Amino acid sequence: NAGVTQTPKFRVLKTGQSMTLLCAQDMNHEYMYWYRQDPGMGLRLIHYSVGEGTTAKGEVPDGYNVSRLKKQNFLLGLESAAPSQTSVYFCASSYRREEAFFGQGTRLTVV
Amino acid sequence: AQTVTQSQPEMSVQEAETVTLSCTYDTSESDYYLFWYKQPPSRQMILVIRQEAYKQQNATENRFSVNFQKAAKSFSLKISDSQLGDAAMYFCAYRRMRGGSQGNLIFGKGTKLSVKP
Repeated sequence: NAGVTQTPKFRVLKTGQSMTLLCAQDMNHEYMYWYRQDPGMGLRLIHYSVGEGTTAKGEVPDGYNVSRLKKQNFLLGLESAAPSQTSVYFCASSYRREEAFFGQGTRLTVV
Repeated sequence: AQTVTQSQPEMSVQEAETVTLSCTYDTSESDYYLFWYKQPPSRQMILVIRQEAYKQQNATENRFSVNFQKAAKSFSLKISDSQLGDAAMYFCAYRRMRGGSQGNLIFGKGTKLSVKP
């Protein structure tokens, strides 16, 4: 049972490049989320999904897009990366509103 | 809007002793969940303990226990018999049980706990 798996674990992008982070969960959870973690800021919600085919904006959605075409997958896209998007990104999932289970994080650096 | 405040950016404890991490939150809801997550240097977010607001009894998980004061909107974490492996960032988090913003698990900014041998 892998839980929540994120790929890649590390990535360096040049300003203006695009990329997609993939999150996969095998717990049949309804809810999935993308957070970013910055020093001294805790975790802030970017986007979330309450079911296949649905997405919604979180606290800091600008510059990101998401898709949930399959229940087990939640993709986070950066269309034109900026240095301000340098961060650690976490995907998480939960059955409903109980505790969320997290992936191992992706460290993204935009130069 | 709901907020979560951790007033101690850093804490230190001697191995085998007890430490308490503070968390306060602001909400107008009556039904919600509270959580403590641990983030060791490996970066993995690990659930330590969970509390449902409707339960009066404080949650306990082995050496970890909470002091939940609903009226005061306080949710502190007590770690007993501290071990070197307890060294980590600890995050307090809140989630409403009903209503909108289903995805909104709100985090405090964290407390960095050091354990001295």
